[in-house]
Amino acid sequence: NAGVMQNPRHLVRRRGQEARLRCSPMKGHSHVYWYRQLPEEGLKFMVYLQKENIIDESGMPKERFSAEFPKEGPSILRIQQVVRGDSAAYFCASSPPGLAGDTQYFGPGTRLTVL
Amino acid sequence: GQQLNQSPQSMFIQEGEDVSMNCTSSSIFNTWLWYKQDPGEGPVLLIALYKAGELTSNGRLTAQFGITRKDSFLNISASIPSDVGIYFCAGQLNNAGNMLTFGGGTRLMVKP
Repeated sequence: NAGVMQNPRHLVRRRGQEARLRCSPMKGHSHVYWYRQLPEEGLKFMVYLQKENIIDESGMPKERFSAEFPKEGPSILRIQQVVRGDSAAYFCASSPPGLAGDTQYFGPGTRLTVL
Repeated sequence: GQQLNQSPQSMFIQEGEDVSMNCTSSSIFNTWLWYKQDPGEGPVLLIALYKAGELTSNGRLTAQFGITRKDSFLNISASIPSDVGIYFCAGQLNNAGNMLTFGGGTRLMVKP
């Protein structure tokens, strides 16, 4: 009974490169959420997706960041032309289909370091 | 946007002591959640609260959903070394989407 899977666990990029973070939700879950955590802070919501749809991207920076959750395969958070300020832990959570408010289960995170 | 103020920011206690931490919000939430995060890992759900006034226990943990829906507390009784970690409260407003709003965390250190 695998939980939420994220890879890579650690990612190092130089300024200007692209970062791709992957998230496989728990089996049977069709809702995916991405959060960002800076050191010594709580998690901040970025985007909420269902299969092939972005439901809420109110926490996503307007430029360089994009997310998708295709019909097949994992959800992808993509950061183009990374800058030092993008260094953070990025967490994915998933919840089952159904009424709003279902419990979100978190993955282990991807720690992005931008040199 | 909504903000959650969590206190204390850190606690250093003796093994066996009880612990209390709380969260307050500038606006109401329909659901309150408490998570624990260990170093290098994602948050793990401890307790979920769905009704104002609700008091829920999970082993040595007890949490309450405030009557005003703007606050919640978490108590840990008889702390043990493995309680060490960062505890986060999170609020959810179901009718505004499923996003969670997190507090800043309480770092708990337990002295054996």
